[in-house]
Amino acid sequence: AQSVAQPEDQVNVAEGNPLTVKCTYSVSGNPYLFWYVQYPNRGLQFLLKYITGDNLVKGSYGFEAEFNKSQTSFHLKKPSALVSDSALYFCAVRDYGDKIIFGKGTRLHILP
Amino acid sequence: ETGVTQTPRHLVMGMTNKKSLKCEQHLGHNAMYWYKQSAKKPLELMFVYNFKEQTENNSVPSRFSPECPNSSHLFLHLHTLQPEDSALYLCASSQEEGSNQPQHFGDGTRLSIL
Repeated sequence: AQSVAQPEDQVNVAEGNPLTVKCTYSVSGNPYLFWYVQYPNRGLQFLLKYITGDNLVKGSYGFEAEFNKSQTSFHLKKPSALVSDSALYFCAVRDYGDKIIFGKGTRLHILP
Repeated sequence: ETGVTQTPRHLVMGMTNKKSLKCEQHLGHNAMYWYKQSAKKPLELMFVYNFKEQTENNSVPSRFSPECPNSSHLFLHLHTLQPEDSALYLCASSQEEGSNQPQHFGDGTRLSIL
């Protein structure tokens, strides 16, 4: 069975500092991995995905994520945080032929 | 503009009422999804339609009844709901179920049950 975990309920980062939001997963095959962001009173917005190829994936708004097969992780990163990055972030995983599942979400607070 | 439009954005209803949530997508997608998002639980997949056929019912109570008349429209019919059904209901679409393409979400309907 597949699963995804976001170990942190909340992450606080000072504006201008690098940020990391953690995600680990478990699948039986090769994973499809996604990051989404949710702003208040909005639906989820797609940020980036890993399907195959280069382990470093670049996405919207300057975000990137690194696929690490040995650690079964797909952490979201950004070199310099903006206050406007404050939102709820979801990691999602899908094993081939299976349905997508979402993590419980990590609330990111960027402090001015 | 997300390409996926949900109406209404907010809905307050009594437990004996009947109402429907509507979702419409203009992305040419063939799969559509209903999710429930509540404060204390992770995002819950409720139903999946792929090419108008229901492919997933994630043990959802029968007081929720989905309808997918075509690939662009998805409804969620509600009747005799319970207070614990108060949540944000999100609709999403994707190219087709099981593809590696991301899902596109609407902004949701905030449902409050009195």
